Amino acid sequence: DAGVIQSPRHEVTEMGQEVTLRCKPISGHNSLFWYRQTMMRGLELLIYFNNNVPIDDSGMPEDRFSAKMPNASFSTLKIQPSEPRDSAVYFCASSTGTSGSYNEQFFGPGTRLTVL
Amino acid sequence: GDSVTQMEGPVTLSEEAFLTINCTYTATGYPSLFWYVQYPGEGLQLLLKATKADDKGSNKGFEATYRKETTSFHLEKGSVQVSDSAVYFCALRSNSGGSNYKLTFGKGTLLTVNP
Repeated sequence: DAGVIQSPRHEVTEMGQEVTLRCKPISGHNSLFWYRQTMMRGLELLIYFNNNVPIDDSGMPEDRFSAKMPNASFSTLKIQPSEPRDSAVYFCASSTGTSGSYNEQFFGPGTRLTVL
Repeated sequence: GDSVTQMEGPVTLSEEAFLTINCTYTATGYPSLFWYVQYPGEGLQLLLKATKADDKGSNKGFEATYRKETTSFHLEKGSVQVSDSAVYFCALRSNSGGSNYKLTFGKGTLLTVNP
């Protein structure tokens, strides 16, 4: 059974460019999380969706970041325009459960973003 | 707010050595506690968990006991292997309020085991 799938695995772009990261959660999971991992700040939750609806986006750094979940099997995280300080590893995770509950989160392999 | 503090790495051990990675937390109420492991090039995987005081989580030879009196959840393994080389994250989930989905992570500890 496939786990969480993220693409691309690596992205190198120049400052000012638009970046789109993609995630396919595990089939049957209805909760989806986007995290950012940096040396300075560790692992931070950016946004949480439940049943395709954004429940908590308080971790989204600023208006340059946006996330969508148009259906149960696909989500995107977009950065426009990108800046060097956005360089990080971005993880997507999925789980079952209702909003406010918790079940084990399964993480994808991450996308390593480098903004020059 | 909630926070997790774990010992800074890197930690370098020889095969068959004893491992301890310290983790302490600050949280309101009675959180659930977790250890995640991240192997090179992969996402995080749940290693073990404990949901109430004095619970012991265990998996693959690793153990951690939920100590409420010291707000700690230290990870231990009696004899490490080269294949245990990875980054280990301590995390908590608050069981109060409406944020039960939210995990708060420590900064991670890099473990390298040499043959």
